[in-house]
Amino acid sequence: QTVVTQEPSLTVSPGGTVTLTCASSTGAVTSGYDPNWFQQKPGQPPRALIYGTSNKHSWTPARFSGSLLGGKAALTLSPVQPEDEADYYCLLYYGGAGVFGGGTKLTVL
Amino acid sequence: EVQVVESGGGLVKPGGSLRLSCAASGFTFTNAYMAWVRQAPGKGLEWVGRIKSKTDGGTTVHAAPVKGRFTISRDDSKNTLYLQMNSLKIEDTAVYYCTTDLKDWGQGTLVTVSS
Repeated sequence: QTVVTQEPSLTVSPGGTVTLTCASSTGAVTSGYDPNWFQQKPGQPPRALIYGTSNKHSWTPARFSGSLLGGKAALTLSPVQPEDEADYYCLLYYGGAGVFGGGTKLTVL
Repeated sequence: EVQVVESGGGLVKPGGSLRLSCAASGFTFTNAYMAWVRQAPGKGLEWVGRIKSKTDGGTTVHAAPVKGRFTISRDDSKNTLYLQMNSLKIEDTAVYYCTTDLKDWGQGTLVTVSS
């Protein structure tokens, strides 16, 4: 069974920089896995941030960026704003089927 | 404005069936890939499955935990996506989200499987 792994939690100061990562149990993540990133705040549906590794939706703030880093997909926030406190999920595709990571709870303190 | 609105959730007994609907508007539904994602209470997101547009074959892919029990379908004449859920298990309890292939999301509909 394929497992996608994210950091369970991260803490960052306002104005700082933080990188969330997304690893695959099958090996290095490449663009072929079509990494997507989502933000979810309490009581709300998820909101799409990044698709195709690094492409932003029209509503994605410029401070969010997606990349591949050290064999993983990565989401970098810089500078972090208080309103960025949320759960973040990545998704990878395996032969047409999507698999979400367990999510990262980002705290802005 | 893109809108997807789920309906059909509710309480069902283990082994029962339920059909969710997703009414879409604000975009060309016929050309869209659509997907279902679920989220158990207090848990993370789980990809349920996806259906391609008819012009791309209209084929479906379902996640392993639901394969053989759940079926995604679409009615392009009604701009509606469906999720037929059979042989429901307690662990299928979740909020089910309809999405335009993970870009635009509905508010979700709660499915509770309990005796």
